[in-house]
Amino acid sequence: NAGVTQTPKFRILKIGQSMTLQCAQDMNHNYMYWYRQDPGMGLKLIYYSVGAGITDKGEVPNGYNVSRSTTEDFPLRLELAAPSQTSVYFCASTKGDSRNQPQHFGDGTRLSIL
Amino acid sequence: GQQLNQSPQSMFIQEGEDVSMNCTSSSIFNTWLWYKQEPGEGPVLLIALYKAGELTSNGRLTAQFGITRKDSFLNISASIPSDVGIYFCAGRSRNYGGSQGNLIFGKGTKLSVKP
Repeated sequence: NAGVTQTPKFRILKIGQSMTLQCAQDMNHNYMYWYRQDPGMGLKLIYYSVGAGITDKGEVPNGYNVSRSTTEDFPLRLELAAPSQTSVYFCASTKGDSRNQPQHFGDGTRLSIL
Repeated sequence: GQQLNQSPQSMFIQEGEDVSMNCTSSSIFNTWLWYKQEPGEGPVLLIALYKAGELTSNGRLTAQFGITRKDSFLNISASIPSDVGIYFCAGRSRNYGGSQGNLIFGKGTKLSVKP
């Protein structure tokens, strides 16, 4: 199993450009999450999804959009990139909503907005 | 939003020393998790705690779920160079999204080990 796969690993964008960060998991997990990690900080939840067709905002959703058309994929979209969105983005997944389900993380996408 | 206070922010220790770090919150959590993150990688789960007072070990690592449900600590015994990394605590509260709650992360403890 590949687990949680994120692409690309690195990307540099200009202000105002748009892009989609891809996340895929092959563990048949229902729950998927997008976090951002700023230097010296913990992870902050951007959006999450409890299943295909269902998404919900996390702590810092502004400037982002997500979709969940399949169980496997949970792309994160930046429509108008801003310098404040320079960060490392992590996707995670878990099987269900039981508190005994730990999250599995991808290796991250490092995004710089210049 | 809810916050976790994780301390210390960083530690510089000699190989063989024991390490202790902790997280506190003003809110009650029903789950505490400890993750380790190495450069260029995502967080990897070390220990998960689900009951107040629970003490769980994973090799040289031991973590406890505080009785008040507002804190947790992680101990690493006899540290070795490969323990280097950033350690994050994370808590789950029903008051923060989802039926069991989404995770809230501490800011991390950066551990450096001198051989």
